[in-house]
Amino acid sequence: KQEVTQIPAALSVPEGENLVLNCSFTDSAIYNLQWFRQDPGKGLTSLLLIQSSQREQTSGRLNASLDKSSGRSTLYIAASQPGDSATYLCAVKFRNFVFGPGTRLSVLP
Amino acid sequence: DAGVIQSPRHEVTEMGQEVTLRCKPISGHNSLFWYRQTMMRGLELLIYFNNNVPIDDSGMPEDRFSAKMPNASFSTLKIQPSEPRDSAVYFCASSWDGNTEAFFGQGTRLTVV
Repeated sequence: KQEVTQIPAALSVPEGENLVLNCSFTDSAIYNLQWFRQDPGKGLTSLLLIQSSQREQTSGRLNASLDKSSGRSTLYIAASQPGDSATYLCAVKFRNFVFGPGTRLSVLP
Repeated sequence: DAGVIQSPRHEVTEMGQEVTLRCKPISGHNSLFWYRQTMMRGLELLIYFNNNVPIDDSGMPEDRFSAKMPNASFSTLKIQPSEPRDSAVYFCASSWDGNTEAFFGQGTRLTVV
């Protein structure tokens, strides 16, 4: 069964810290991997998409890496801000997208 | 483009009633997805359309659920009859094709009482 897990489930950090969110998946035969953020009561906002042939993608303070062979992706957030507080979801495209349970991030001012 | 548009944003209905959720994908996108999100099970793919054709409906929970995409700019997810356990947030998403970046709507929060 193709599964996606995310660690930690929740994270609380002071403003300004750099942090890493982790995503693991059970099958290395993927098409791509996408990171989203979800604010409470809202939809999902796409952050970064990494194709299976890529190793990383960057957008502003965000950097996502992909290691297919080990079944892992990380989302690095530099200089965290209170506005980064949200749930971060990793979605892996096997035959279809499978979502992880998310990491709930709180950045304290 | 206004993004993926879903309606209604909230729906409260009584058990046994028919519920229809609507989605307008981003113009030019060929793939459309319906997801359900609950606290217990997270985000689950219900059905995936490509070029208006259902490609994978293995996530549709049971025969009470049906989805249609009559044209490239509109899709519906229908539940008949609805049950309290169907209460969830239902999201629609679209992408250029099934392997590119997916964009989500704001969701429909369904409550069945």
